[in-house]
Amino acid sequence: GIQVEQSPPDLILQEGANSTLRCNFSDSVNNLQWFHQNPWGQLINLFYIPSGTKQNGRLSATTVATERYSLLYISSSQTTDSGVYFCAVRNKNTGTASKLTFGTGTRLQVTL
Amino acid sequence: NAGVMQNPRHLVRRRGQEARLRCSPMKGHSHVYWYRQLPEEGLKFMVYLQKENIIDESGMPKERFSAEFPKEGPSILRIQQVVRGDSAAYFCASSHGGPTEAFFGQGTRLTVV
Repeated sequence: GIQVEQSPPDLILQEGANSTLRCNFSDSVNNLQWFHQNPWGQLINLFYIPSGTKQNGRLSATTVATERYSLLYISSSQTTDSGVYFCAVRNKNTGTASKLTFGTGTRLQVTL
Repeated sequence: NAGVMQNPRHLVRRRGQEARLRCSPMKGHSHVYWYRQLPEEGLKFMVYLQKENIIDESGMPKERFSAEFPKEGPSILRIQQVVRGDSAAYFCASSHGGPTEAFFGQGTRLTVV
């Protein structure tokens, strides 16, 4: 099946700093989503971005499907950004009836 | 405009009992996915269902686990004769199907004692 790798696995930032999280995938995709799992375990949809660039406040994401990667940018980080960030993809080559495959996540800690 | 609803949020079962986890998809969604998350790990796919049909169950353990999504009512993930290793967070997601955006519920945290 499709492989999804995220980097870095862990990241510690001081409040106000910027960061870039990366998601690499091993096959063509027709769906890519970024999620934030907060310290209470809730999964929050950040972006649905199979290609192109989107922005939402301090967050933005870019997916270059032809090169099989996506980037999540966090600017002016806040302590509430702490948690685990997951990338999940749907393999284009397994037809329309296919699941989201998750990466292993990036654990972010934002300190004061 | 309710999101994906899972219940119960927390479930404690003794070894050997049955666990039933429920998932009501978002309004208008007919595709449901179940995932399991072990402590400090990522989300692992278990099963994908469309109304009354199992589309992909490649991630389901061969024994003790089953899932259904009846024509009426929520999707149910059933774990028979639970063991300590079944302790995990179980998440449900729903979508319109195909390459559309999936939305997750808040999860059910199962603890087996």
